Amino acid sequence: AQSVTQLGSHVSVSEGALVLLRCNYSSSVPPYLFWYVQYPNQGLQLLLKYTTGATLVKGINGFEAEFKKSETSFHLTKPSAHMSDAAEYFCAVSERNTGNQFYFGTGTSLTVIP
Amino acid sequence: DAMVIQNPRYQVTQFGKPVTLSCSQTLNHNVMYWYQQKSSQAPKLLFHYYDKDFNNEADTPDNFQSRRPNTSFCFLDIRSPGLGDAAMYLCATSRAQGLEQYFGPGTRLTVT
Repeated sequence: AQSVTQLGSHVSVSEGALVLLRCNYSSSVPPYLFWYVQYPNQGLQLLLKYTTGATLVKGINGFEAEFKKSETSFHLTKPSAHMSDAAEYFCAVSERNTGNQFYFGTGTSLTVIP
Repeated sequence: DAMVIQNPRYQVTQFGKPVTLSCSQTLNHNVMYWYQQKSSQAPKLLFHYYDKDFNNEADTPDNFQSRRPNTSFCFLDIRSPGLGDAAMYLCATSRAQGLEQYFGPGTRLTVT
């Protein structure tokens, strides 16, 4: 079964600093990859996705992520953190061949310090 | 705007009293999902429908049931809620299995 690892359950950055949230997957076959954001008492909102093509994908709110097959990673970045970025971030993967299962990471809580 | 709607946003029920949560979508997606999310945890899939085909996760308690009367609506029935069932319940849809899922705002269930 697929597993998704998000290193760091809590990440704190200063306003204006680089945001880096890490995600690694276990499958030997590159899956579909997603990042979601969840604000308190809200559902999950899709930030960006990778299915095929260019390995650097841009999403909403200035976020981007790069798929690195050799590292089985899909880390999320944003050059300059904003106070409104404080939220829970989930990495998710689905298996490319079967497409039957959607696996979530355990989430990373991002705090932005003014 | 096409969207996933969940009602109510907040639901309080008594221990053992049946409760139904509802979800509707205007995306015309084939697949609908129900997740349970407890505090500071990832969403946990309870079941999903591909069209009318129902798929139950192996570890979903029998206390949880679901109905999908048509493409747009899906319901989560909790027959006898226990204190451990207090959580956020998220509905999601996708065009096909494995593709990106679109989530509703969730229903926060409190069991007293």
